[in-house]
Amino acid sequence: DTAVSQTPKYLVTQMGNDKSIKCEQNLGHDTMYWYKQDSKKFLKIMFSYNNKELIINETVPNRFSPKSPDKAHLNLHINSLELGDSAVYFCASRQADYEQYFGPGTRLTVT
Amino acid sequence: GDSVTQMEGPVTLSEEAFLTINCTYTATGYPSLFWYVQYPGEGLQLLLKATKADDKGSNKGFEATYRKETTSFHLEKGSVQVSDSAVYFCALSSSGFQKLVFGTGTRLLVSP
Repeated sequence: DTAVSQTPKYLVTQMGNDKSIKCEQNLGHDTMYWYKQDSKKFLKIMFSYNNKELIINETVPNRFSPKSPDKAHLNLHINSLELGDSAVYFCASRQADYEQYFGPGTRLTVT
Repeated sequence: GDSVTQMEGPVTLSEEAFLTINCTYTATGYPSLFWYVQYPGEGLQLLLKATKADDKGSNKGFEATYRKETTSFHLEKGSVQVSDSAVYFCALSSSGFQKLVFGTGTRLLVSP
């Protein structure tokens, strides 16, 4: 059983396009996150939702818009893609004070 | 703000060698500390954690002890295997909604 899943796994697109990445967790967790991992493997929080409410927004350009239709889903929409958006995006989820569980990642390449 | 500092990699070892990856942190309050591992082409997996001072986290032969006096959480393993080759991330969580603050990661390469 996949705990945290992301689609697509790979995404190649051109500058200026708009794309979405989807995340679903079947763990019943209340809180979900998006992290960005750059080419040097550095990981940084982007957003967090708790029960569909945005609780963390870490100075991410407003071209990035998270959406949480329900507690089990957190999607990431990116407008007007730029070369610098190329990275691996990880979704994660957490319940209460327990550890975060990560998805397999989505490798976004902008050409 | 909160931050985590890890030793630069890559760390290159022969199989059965002893491993230490240093990690120190800066945080307000009393953070929880974690080690995550990322195998090639995969996502992050929690390796071990410690939630209060002097706690020792352990898993798969890896250990780390939460040292409040030195603000450290060094990862150790007595005998590494080729299959341990991966990138290891030290992280802390101290805010109310528990966002993770990661170190830069340390790549471990184990040769037969």
